[in-house]
Amino acid sequence: DQQVKQNSPSLSVQEGRISILNCDYTNSMFDYFLWYKKYPAEGPTFLISISSIKDKNEDGRFTVFLNKSAKHLSLHIVPSQPGDSAVYFCAAESGGSNYKLTFGKGTLLTVNP
Amino acid sequence: DVKVTQSSRYLVKRTGEKVFLECVQDMDHENMFWYRQDPGLGLRLIYFSYDVKMKEKGDIPEGYSVSREKKERFSLILESASTNQTSMYLCASRSDGVSALHFGNGTRLTVT
Repeated sequence: DQQVKQNSPSLSVQEGRISILNCDYTNSMFDYFLWYKKYPAEGPTFLISISSIKDKNEDGRFTVFLNKSAKHLSLHIVPSQPGDSAVYFCAAESGGSNYKLTFGKGTLLTVNP
Repeated sequence: DVKVTQSSRYLVKRTGEKVFLECVQDMDHENMFWYRQDPGLGLRLIYFSYDVKMKEKGDIPEGYSVSREKKERFSLILESASTNQTSMYLCASRSDGVSALHFGNGTRLTVT
């Protein structure tokens, strides 16, 4: 069973507009969430994270929102830039998991100039 | 700066060969991981290790084994490579506590 779901395989936005990537999870024990960005032929790079004690975390153009009651998180990128075009992975972990992350399947974001 | 190094970027092996994928991290991290990435399937955990000589199975350990003799090095072994093990293999490490996972650049393995 898939505990972390990214239901949109792809998303296309115009440069300068907002990109919103969504992620749902089923395991209520998850208490730490992360977003990663991956370019082709490279390893994923860490973008931003959020603990379950918060509902928002912001870092420059990137903001992550967490809705625990809905078991939903989203990544907002404002403004979107062509260099943001990549696959974005949502990941989650629970405190007792030996630091093991569970990843979603990813969303391919394309930002058009 | 954090660095996770995978020994090969591209590897081509034949069915039945024994394959070693090596990974080294220079951050003194306790935890190391091997994932594989396949189109439409995302990142799936094969094995991880939380200490030297300790290992735990991930979600898809079949056909793989691992070795962690030193803290900085974590090896993935394909005992007898098969074509369904053609994939991008990603090594990662992280410290204990609330922290991000740091990935290497990956090894694209093709088994023919």
